[in-house]
Amino acid sequence: SQQGEEDPQALSIQEGENATMNCSYKTSINNLQWYRQNSGRGLVHLILIRSNEREKHSGRLRVTLDTSKKSSSLLITASRAADTASYFCATETGNTPLVFGKGTRLSVIA
Amino acid sequence: SQTIHQWPATLVQPVGSPLSLECTVEGTSNPNLYWYRQAAGRGLQLLFYSVGIGQISSEVPQNLSASRPQDRQFILSSKKLLLSDSGFYLCAWIGGAGGGRAFFGQGTRLTVV
Repeated sequence: SQQGEEDPQALSIQEGENATMNCSYKTSINNLQWYRQNSGRGLVHLILIRSNEREKHSGRLRVTLDTSKKSSSLLITASRAADTASYFCATETGNTPLVFGKGTRLSVIA
Repeated sequence: SQTIHQWPATLVQPVGSPLSLECTVEGTSNPNLYWYRQAAGRGLQLLFYSVGIGQISSEVPQNLSASRPQDRQFILSSKKLLLSDSGFYLCAWIGGAGGGRAFFGQGTRLTVV
């Protein structure tokens, strides 16, 4: 069954703007991960945030986690055309394999 | 460093033909291995996962099967393909050396005609 659900399904922004994607999940987790997928390629890991962490940064990426609301957000600052891709959240519970959401398709227009 | 190889990249097969997709991992031992399928514009559906040689767990009933003959080899098979088997197939591994994150192959685009 689907654990993570990303919102919005699609997002189109201008280069230089910030992009925010959200992920909601249903059960308690050990960690939550964000991945990026360029069209027709495999997924690439971006960032992992553990259940006892609230915020994490990596370059232009900022991830927050609110376990009380069972939600996470991924912020990409100062977006570039090269950020155009699909972004997926995935949850790890320890008892089940990594479960992915349906993804957010981000288009950054130059 | 750890790498994952998946082949072929694209495949066009007639209905009723057999299928064999192979995935191998280098640079790690005893990885947890996964097969996912992704329909066009959709999320990833977990098909099979394996925590060791000969150990296969299936997530959904389907026309496919998986095998793990060696520690770092994971094979997805079908005896007779259906049109509905078309999709983008991704192999991934998760191991302690990766800190809990998944490493994906480049995927196989399967079109059943």
